[in-house]
Amino acid sequence: GAGVSQSPSNKVTEKGKDVELRCDPISGHTALYWYRQSLGQGLEFLIYFQGNSAPDKSGLPSDRFSAERTGGSVSTLTIQRTQQEDSAVYLCASSLISRNTGELFFGEGSRLTVL
Amino acid sequence: GDSVTQMEGPVTLSEEAFLTINCTYTATGYPSLFWYVQYPGEGLQLLLKATKADDKGSNKGFEATYRKETTSFHLEKGSVQVSDSAVYFCALIDTGRRALTFGSGTRLQVQP
Repeated sequence: GAGVSQSPSNKVTEKGKDVELRCDPISGHTALYWYRQSLGQGLEFLIYFQGNSAPDKSGLPSDRFSAERTGGSVSTLTIQRTQQEDSAVYLCASSLISRNTGELFFGEGSRLTVL
Repeated sequence: GDSVTQMEGPVTLSEEAFLTINCTYTATGYPSLFWYVQYPGEGLQLLLKATKADDKGSNKGFEATYRKETTSFHLEKGSVQVSDSAVYFCALIDTGRRALTFGSGTRLQVQP
């Protein structure tokens, strides 16, 4: 498709289970971001990938969170042993230019609910 | 660290009313400033931006001026439409940083 695609759009899981969220960026975009949007909160930066460089993981809230980007394209965000406070909308964004000018293209998000 | 503060919503206006959504920021360098908009059922999209002091960003009738002296980037529109109903996010990217810092968002509801 033409835009950033995320799946699943909704995920309900039980506390303690692992979840994987997928992001398919716009073709040719070298930069990929994961953000988290909790109820009433702003977007919280999680992780950033740029080309073949080491990812910037400075926003990951705990070691239960990890992400990878295979072949410079699709990315997977994994949350292990989910907790109720992990409930949020997880947003993926991509951008074309290596030097970030701030214009990101966002997907519609994956809404995670941990029971 | 960097931060963005927006007025809390929801903001409810009648069609053709004047809109202001306040945004102030804290940054250590020389940030670029942005407004993003999220329409119902859609992903966030860039509305406008300004990269240096006194720049004015504009798009779709919306405007915002980068005010360094007041560290503000307030969003304005002279006459809102029902189709402007959305959540608006103020954001910045500071010098040398890779990721945007976002405010908490302001929901705008425009009634016919």
